[in-house]
Amino acid sequence: DTGVSQNPRHKITKRGQNVTFRCDPISEHNRLYWYRQTLGQGPEFLTYFQNEAQLEKSRLLSDRFSAERPKGSFSTLEIQRTEQGDSAMYLCASSPLGADTQYFGPGTRLTVL
Amino acid sequence: AQRVTQPEKLLSVFKGAPVELKCNYSYSGSPELFWYVQYSRQRLQLLLRHISRESIKGFTADLNKGETSFHLKKPFAQEEDSAMYYCALTRLTGGFKTIFGAGTRLFVKA
Repeated sequence: DTGVSQNPRHKITKRGQNVTFRCDPISEHNRLYWYRQTLGQGPEFLTYFQNEAQLEKSRLLSDRFSAERPKGSFSTLEIQRTEQGDSAMYLCASSPLGADTQYFGPGTRLTVL
Repeated sequence: AQRVTQPEKLLSVFKGAPVELKCNYSYSGSPELFWYVQYSRQRLQLLLRHISRESIKGFTADLNKGETSFHLKKPFAQEEDSAMYYCALTRLTGGFKTIFGAGTRLFVKA
């Protein structure tokens, strides 16, 4: 197992376009988290899953953001009608159980022009 | 509301000097506290967590519930300790949302 992977690593898009990111967690990790990180800030919680169930979403996650984990394995994060303010690093992490150590992916850097 | 505060954005020390990275939190319930580290061009990774009471790479952190602090300490800094350090809090009730501080960049000078 090579750890958490994320694709693509970089994405440049024009304002108004939709983008989708993928996260593959470590096998058998039940929990999967999405974070957003902007320059000079720590990772900001967006949402998390236990298996296929999305248990919590941040109030910061507008209606343009949606995440899925259909079979309890990989997850996708979609942003519709992107805005320049969406430019950030999007991080995915997984953990075996609740308050356990989270293992992070390398992130997807989104640039909205 | 949960909050994690790291008051220093940058901490610069000489090699061999003691280092302390401050972390204060606010949370009314029972938290699990972590320090994560990000070395240059590497992904974010766990350094240590309070429940383990371990010393990793010479670093220790003690949870002080009275002062709501979880400061990271090392008696003798090494150049390879230069990195970005994040304090994080995971709540143990009502879901496992994790809140990160803004981070402290540690620079260890030769």
